[in-house]
Amino acid sequence: SQQGEEDPQALSIQEGENATMNCSYKTSINNLQWYRQNSGRGLVHLILIRSNEREKHSGRLRVTLDTSKKSSSLLITASRAADTASYFCATVGSGNTGKLIFGQGTTLQVKP
Amino acid sequence: GAVVSQHPSWVICKSGTSVKIECRSLDFQATTMFWYRQFPKQSLMLMATSNEGSKATYEQGVEKDKFLINHASLTLSTLTVTSAHPEDSSFYICSATGLAHEQYFGPGTRLTVT
Repeated sequence: SQQGEEDPQALSIQEGENATMNCSYKTSINNLQWYRQNSGRGLVHLILIRSNEREKHSGRLRVTLDTSKKSSSLLITASRAADTASYFCATVGSGNTGKLIFGQGTTLQVKP
Repeated sequence: GAVVSQHPSWVICKSGTSVKIECRSLDFQATTMFWYRQFPKQSLMLMATSNEGSKATYEQGVEKDKFLINHASLTLSTLTVTSAHPEDSSFYICSATGLAHEQYFGPGTRLTVT
């Protein structure tokens, strides 16, 4: 089953611009993770934010989490053409089964 | 970081035949492995949770008799698509969890059923 919506479904920007993707989920969570997937390839783990954290940074990535709104955002600053990929959020439920439930994903295109 | 491999990376089979996909954790022991399916331009759908030495737990709507999962060791889980049909064509991805429950994903297997 899908956890929730990702917004927007597709995003096209110019190199150097910032890209913001949003993710909403439905159930209580232990943590939320963001992944990247290049076309036809496996997943690359980008960042994990725990339910008691509100913001986290990793290089050009900034993730926020609002558990009251059950939403998260991923900001990629100073985008590069190589950032072109699909981005997925995934949640781990508070039951600690380890199961990841993925959002629908945002397809990002960064034009050189 | 930990490495998870899948074999084969792609496979084409005829309708009605069975296909086995392997998922291996190369440098760590995985207590749990997960199998996902991804249709084109869609997200990953969790199919089942596989624990070493026990029966897999399937998600609602996934036919356990069609998608046979065997987790024979701490480094190997297999997914067998039995009596494959064209609608089973998809990208199958496994992941393996380490002791800290972090998940490492395999590169995926593209199955095409003709």
